[in-house]
Amino acid sequence: DAKTTQPTSMDCAEGRAANLPCNHSTISGNEYVYWYRQIHSQGPQYIIHGLKNNETNEMASLIITEDRKSSTLILPHATLRDTAVYYCIVRLRMKTSYDKVIFGPGTSLSVIP
Amino acid sequence: DVKVTQSSRYLVKRTGEKVFLECVQDMDHENMFWYRQDPGLGLRLIYFSYDVKMKEKGDIPEGYSVSREKKERFSLILESASTNQTSMYLCASSWVIGPGRETQYFGPGTRLLVL
Repeated sequence: DAKTTQPTSMDCAEGRAANLPCNHSTISGNEYVYWYRQIHSQGPQYIIHGLKNNETNEMASLIITEDRKSSTLILPHATLRDTAVYYCIVRLRMKTSYDKVIFGPGTSLSVIP
Repeated sequence: DVKVTQSSRYLVKRTGEKVFLECVQDMDHENMFWYRQDPGLGLRLIYFSYDVKMKEKGDIPEGYSVSREKKERFSLILESASTNQTSMYLCASSWVIGPGRETQYFGPGTRLLVL
């Protein structure tokens, strides 16, 4: 059922930018791309979402390609507290009124001192 | 800030016991969800509710039931706990901003061990 593909793991040096890619080649229509992260033993945390344009908030930036088939989450200055599993999500259209959110395996980001 | 709280962080129960996991959100969200998370299997949706007294089955509802008597509270019930229900249980809530736009906010999780 997964509609996104992400690298299994990545390393990033502390203080450097972390660039996390995601492919969502079957994205369509008005589907938004969402990013969450999960720090060990905690619940997932919302980071950012976008449709077509690049987005930025206090946590991260989201770059979406023009064809919308892929995106990159950027943590501009990674810290040790950014070590987590990062999930890129699009929604799965259902026949019911609710469109299911699918969490794939995500990317395990390790920020190294 | 949105706050989703779960009644326990850690819980140990015996096989056959009835288990209640409670979740409360303070943002007047319509939607609430229960997931379980297991190594290698990711998050799997058990049940969700889009309104008071309304519920729909997710991917793995067997062995579970839910109750939503008030908008802010969503309970997950294990009628007769079994060892294969040992897992991390996550509650979430959301409201739908528009088509395809829904941000889910998660609680801290309950780690349940069934002996």
